[in-house]
Amino acid sequence: KQEVTQIPAALSVPEGENLVLNCSFTDSAIYNLQWFRQDPGKGLTSLLLIQSSQREQTSGRLNASLDKSSGRSTLYIAASQPGDSATYLCAVKRSQFYFGTGTSLTVIP
Amino acid sequence: ETGVTQTPRHLVMGMTNKKSLKCEQHLGHNAMYWYKQSAKKPLELMFVYNFKEQTENNSVPSRFSPECPNSSHLFLHLHTLQPEDSALYLCASSQDHTSGAIEQFFGPGTRLTVL
Repeated sequence: KQEVTQIPAALSVPEGENLVLNCSFTDSAIYNLQWFRQDPGKGLTSLLLIQSSQREQTSGRLNASLDKSSGRSTLYIAASQPGDSATYLCAVKRSQFYFGTGTSLTVIP
Repeated sequence: ETGVTQTPRHLVMGMTNKKSLKCEQHLGHNAMYWYKQSAKKPLELMFVYNFKEQTENNSVPSRFSPECPNSSHLFLHLHTLQPEDSALYLCASSQDHTSGAIEQFFGPGTRLTVL
């Protein structure tokens, strides 16, 4: 069974800092990987989708990379802002979607 | 309305009550999902409907009963729940679930508390 791990579980950084969130998965036979943002008590908002044939995707200050062979993905956030504070989840898709437990990010003004 | 909507947003019920959660997607998708999100645990897939047919049932107790009358609507009927069923219930949709690479879109969730 696919297992998805996100480290660290929590991260606190000062405003303006660049940061990297990590996601690893045990089975490299995936169709795609998706990064989400979740605000407290709310649903998930899709940030970036990387197809299995792609190496990275960018949207604004966000850049996600995928190394399928090593079972790893990173989400890079540039020039962090307090509004980036949220939990970030990654999910991989094969027969179904498998989610990590997320990284809770706090950006301190 | 746009995207994926869920009602109610909050629900408190006793163990003997019967209630239903509703999800509607306005994205023209063909697959809909129910997930359970509990504290400190990964999202747990409960049910998948693809073109109105149930394709996944991840050993969910029978006190949870899904219904998918068409590709735009999904219900989760609840009866005789337990306190450990308290969680955030999330609905999602996507294109054909059996396609390879697809993107999921989520609703805001229903916060369920079972007393």
